Amino acid sequence: DVKVTQSSRYLVKRTGEKVFLECVQDMDHENMFWYRQDPGLGLRLIYFSYDVKMKEKGDIPEGYSVSREKKERFSLILESASTNQTSMYLCAITSRDRGVYGYTFGSGTRLTVV
Amino acid sequence: GIQVEQSPPDLILQEGANSTLRCNFSDSVNNLQWFHQNPWGQLINLFYIPSGTKQNGRLSATTVATERYSLLYISSSQTTDSGVYFCAVETNFGNEKLTFGTGTRLTIIP
Repeated sequence: DVKVTQSSRYLVKRTGEKVFLECVQDMDHENMFWYRQDPGLGLRLIYFSYDVKMKEKGDIPEGYSVSREKKERFSLILESASTNQTSMYLCAITSRDRGVYGYTFGSGTRLTVV
Repeated sequence: GIQVEQSPPDLILQEGANSTLRCNFSDSVNNLQWFHQNPWGQLINLFYIPSGTKQNGRLSATTVATERYSLLYISSSQTTDSGVYFCAVETNFGNEKLTFGTGTRLTIIP
């Protein structure tokens, strides 16, 4: 089974701090995604990556950046955390099985910015 | 961009009941998936169903792409079915980016 690991389950940071959220996959999948989930808004795409050193903006990239130096690791960076970035952050990869692809999500990081 | 609407937003049912969750989308899609998020936050892919009908145990899903909607059926509900159900669509073939609906929160009472 595909495994997607997010380094922290809960995180509390102060306004203005630089925050790193890490996501690691255990297979050789190219595509990796970062979403945030907020009540009443569902999941919204922040950034995604199709390969090492490649990144593309999603629907809400403002205030975030990403890094993908190795295929298995995709990091989300909050350059200067703000209270409106308090949210659940979910990393995902896509995999293909017999021509059909599916999403596998990590267990999420609940970030609180105070 | 595409709009994805799910109904109802909340559903409370007795164990053993059947339920139908609906997903409407505003434009043509290449892919549609249903997910279940359990009370601990873990999202699980239930169905990849751009068109047609699929069944997996007590769950089944139908997508009518020409009419821009999908339905998720849950029969003989169990308490473990509780959680939030999301519908998500992909509009640009091959880029694998999903646009999610706002979800249906299902609570099954013993």
